[in-house]
Amino acid sequence: EAGVTQSPTHLIKTRGQQATLRCSPISGHTSVYWYQQALGLGLQFLLWYDEGEERNRGNFPPRFSGRQFPNYSSELNVNALELEDSALYLCASSLEVSAVVGETQYFGPGTRLLVL
Amino acid sequence: AQSVTQLGSHVSVSEGALVLLRCNYSSSVPPYLFWYVQYPNQGLQLLLKYTTGATLVKGINGFEAEFKKSETSFHLTKPSAHMSDAAEYFCAVSRISSGSARQLTFGSGTQLTVLP
Repeated sequence: EAGVTQSPTHLIKTRGQQATLRCSPISGHTSVYWYQQALGLGLQFLLWYDEGEERNRGNFPPRFSGRQFPNYSSELNVNALELEDSALYLCASSLEVSAVVGETQYFGPGTRLLVL
Repeated sequence: AQSVTQLGSHVSVSEGALVLLRCNYSSSVPPYLFWYVQYPNQGLQLLLKYTTGATLVKGINGFEAEFKKSETSFHLTKPSAHMSDAAEYFCAVSRISSGSARQLTFGSGTQLTVLP
């Protein structure tokens, strides 16, 4: 079974540009989560999509946005890039089940974004 | 609000020695707890998780963790370290209330070095 895939693996942009990162979840998973892993800031939650809708977002400005497609794949867009957006962006997927069972998030390899 | 504290950003052990990585959590509701491992330039891999039931949880690669509610701890252990265990380890917590936010809140990570 294929795991979570992300593309591209590396992305280099200049300040002010836009970046688009893509994620394909594990087959059958309906939820996609995005996390940012920046140097010195640890892993921070960005966005959660489930069944095509944004369910929750972390403490990030509106220039971080995304969407989830009918096939459950997802896209993260970062507009007006700033130097501090340089980070590893991780996507995770899970199968939403009842709270009693609990869910596990499975992570992709990440996209490393460098803003110059 | 939830939070996770990992004591010790760097831990060094000799090959064959006991590995102990500490994690304490704060949560207003019974938590789901996770340990993930990240090898260089890779995403996160689930080691083990606690949801309900048995408080001693066994994971992959010989790791285990014990949920201690009275101490709000979920420390990760392995009886005998291998060189291949060198990586960064993250403790994480999520909420379990159905319909509420399900993102993971991560600790700051512990870099494990295994000495020959």
